Amino acid sequence: DTEVTQTPKHLVMGMTNKKSLKCEQHMGHRAMYWYKQKAKKPPELMFVYSYEKLSINESVPSRFSPECPNSSLLNLHLHALQPEDSALYLCASSQEAGVGYTFGSGTRLTVV
Amino acid sequence: AQKITQTQPGMFVQEKEAVTLDCTYDTSDPSYGLFWYKQPSSGEMIFLIYQGSYDQQNATEGRYSLNFQKARKSANLVISASQLGDSAMYFCAMRPPNAGNMLTFGGGTRLMVKP
Repeated sequence: DTEVTQTPKHLVMGMTNKKSLKCEQHMGHRAMYWYKQKAKKPPELMFVYSYEKLSINESVPSRFSPECPNSSLLNLHLHALQPEDSALYLCASSQEAGVGYTFGSGTRLTVV
Repeated sequence: AQKITQTQPGMFVQEKEAVTLDCTYDTSDPSYGLFWYKQPSSGEMIFLIYQGSYDQQNATEGRYSLNFQKARKSANLVISASQLGDSAMYFCAMRPPNAGNMLTFGGGTRLMVKP
């Protein structure tokens, strides 16, 4: 299995809703990432987990809450989002060193 | 701080012709990795090719090759024999050492292949 699977593919949520994005990989990668990508822009790093511990938080607002329940799963919990948070959210995983850096197909989030 | 620059916001290429997408980078670290990704309209980031800073030869993967000029800090992607399915956004990215394995992306180039 050489894939990173993200669910759901599309999500529409209100500003008072709570939702979660899910990411799963079975490649044995020990680093997992969340990126946010606005339209016509490059991905921007949000969080990095290394060996299931949060190692980097790029000053992301607390309405985004990451969670890594085990080495294969990464969640992003969403609460009280704003319309400007609408974007493509990409999950990725990698080996700690080397070339293997794999992205999922993303979740397109719309906040209304 | 590391910086990646892609100076071509958009490019056209005729089907079956070769095209070069430019990428320059700025880092003071001697050890780094350079990546190219393709992103079709569906959103998925597809890995194309990788070049390590200590690699002696330019990387090649099928129709993709990387023109790595270390002294000029450039890592241009060459796509040979363009196909209609190559139409997409292309991102150059760098992974510096000791940075949590994170990637820093350039602004991207939108490639459009004409039939």
